[in-house]
Amino acid sequence: EDKVVQSPLSLVVHEGDTVTLNCSYEVTNFRSLLWYKQEKKAPTFLFMLTSSGIEKKSGRLSSILDKKELFSILNITATQTGDSAVYLCAAAQLQGAQKLVFGQGTRLTINP
Amino acid sequence: KAGVTQTPRYLIKTRGQQVTLSCSPISGHRSVSWYQQTPGQGLQFLFEYFSETQRNKGNFPGRFSGRQFSNSRSEMNVSTLELGDSALYLCASSGTTGANVLTFGAGSRLTVL
Repeated sequence: EDKVVQSPLSLVVHEGDTVTLNCSYEVTNFRSLLWYKQEKKAPTFLFMLTSSGIEKKSGRLSSILDKKELFSILNITATQTGDSAVYLCAAAQLQGAQKLVFGQGTRLTINP
Repeated sequence: KAGVTQTPRYLIKTRGQQVTLSCSPISGHRSVSWYQQTPGQGLQFLFEYFSETQRNKGNFPGRFSGRQFSNSRSEMNVSTLELGDSALYLCASSGTTGANVLTFGAGSRLTVL
């Protein structure tokens, strides 16, 4: 059965801290790994990773994929209260462009 | 350009009723998919449509159905509602390039009493 597991499920840190969110996957015919941020309703796209070892960055957020060990991490540096959200990791397969297998999400809370 | 639009945003139904949810994708996007989000199961794939054809279906009972119209708008229907169908139903669309990158709508929050 295709599976994506995220850890930790919940994380509380202080503003300014750096956090690392983990995502491991076991998915047949793996194509890419995606990260989304969900604050209230609609998940918003952060990154898509298809190649191992190539870091993607956007401001204070960065992510990398390891296709040999089947995991990805999402790093957030100098966290701000606006980073508080649920971070979702999802795996896409070669067949089914829109059929993503999601992890349970990591609820990140940033305290001022 | 306008994002993915879902209606209604909130609705309350009773067990045994049926419900229809609507989704208008981003202009030019021909792929539409539906997901169910619950606290216990997270986001689970329901189905995917492209050019009015269902391309993929998740592991949900036959009470869950959908369709796509020629203008790419999509509807999903749940018949004989059960308490466990209470969830946030999210619609997403994508273009032909970057097909895995889904843009989600705000969702329809269904409560079944």
